[in-house]
Amino acid sequence: EIVLTQSPATLSLSPGERATLSCRASQSISNYLAWYQQKPGQAPRLLIYDASNRVTGIPARFSGSGSGTDFTLTISSLEPEDFAVYYCQQRSNWPPGVTFGGGTKVEIK
Amino acid sequence: QVLLVESGGGVVQPGGSLRLSCAASGFTFSSYALHWVRQAPGKGLEWVGFIRYDGSNKYYADSVKGRFTISRDNSKNMLYLQMNSLRTEDTAVYYCAKPPDGQWLVLSYWGQGTLVTVSS
Repeated sequence: EIVLTQSPATLSLSPGERATLSCRASQSISNYLAWYQQKPGQAPRLLIYDASNRVTGIPARFSGSGSGTDFTLTISSLEPEDFAVYYCQQRSNWPPGVTFGGGTKVEIK
Repeated sequence: QVLLVESGGGVVQPGGSLRLSCAASGFTFSSYALHWVRQAPGKGLEWVGFIRYDGSNKYYADSVKGRFTISRDNSKNMLYLQMNSLRTEDTAVYYCAKPPDGQWLVLSYWGQGTLVTVSS
């Protein structure tokens, strides 16, 4: 079973700063990685899929990169609405399945 | 627009059963695989399982295999999660989710979730 490890667990930053979130897979997952944002009391929202493809309607300040085992979600300049928890997710084609990382909370410093 | 509405959550005793439903609209239901994902209070996301567009195959997380069953009724645009032999660790908000076009295993649309509490 592939394990996803996200770091740091908490990131304390100010609006306007750059956020760099990491997701590491226990074995290579090619580019089969997605990123989600979740705010309190809300369902998750898909931001990025296949490591670097931004979903339509997601602001350009969100970008994803990486392949193999190491992936990064970058928020170029934090807006007040970006403070939330972010999860990475990998997909396995066989057997078909999904695994989430433990999450990174981006909080206001 | 895509709408997913879960229902059926509540309080159940350990060892009990519960069936969750997810009513879908705004897309061609019979063309998409659908997933269940859960989130324990204050914890992260955990994938529960998914069912193919025609119900022919279902896949589950090891933590629920043999206890939970996913089914669907394409004539009613409904997705179900039958949960048996419930444990306290199954306490969570349960979401149904839909992939985007061309994908099976990425989740672009989510319901608002329904809370299941397993407690004596």
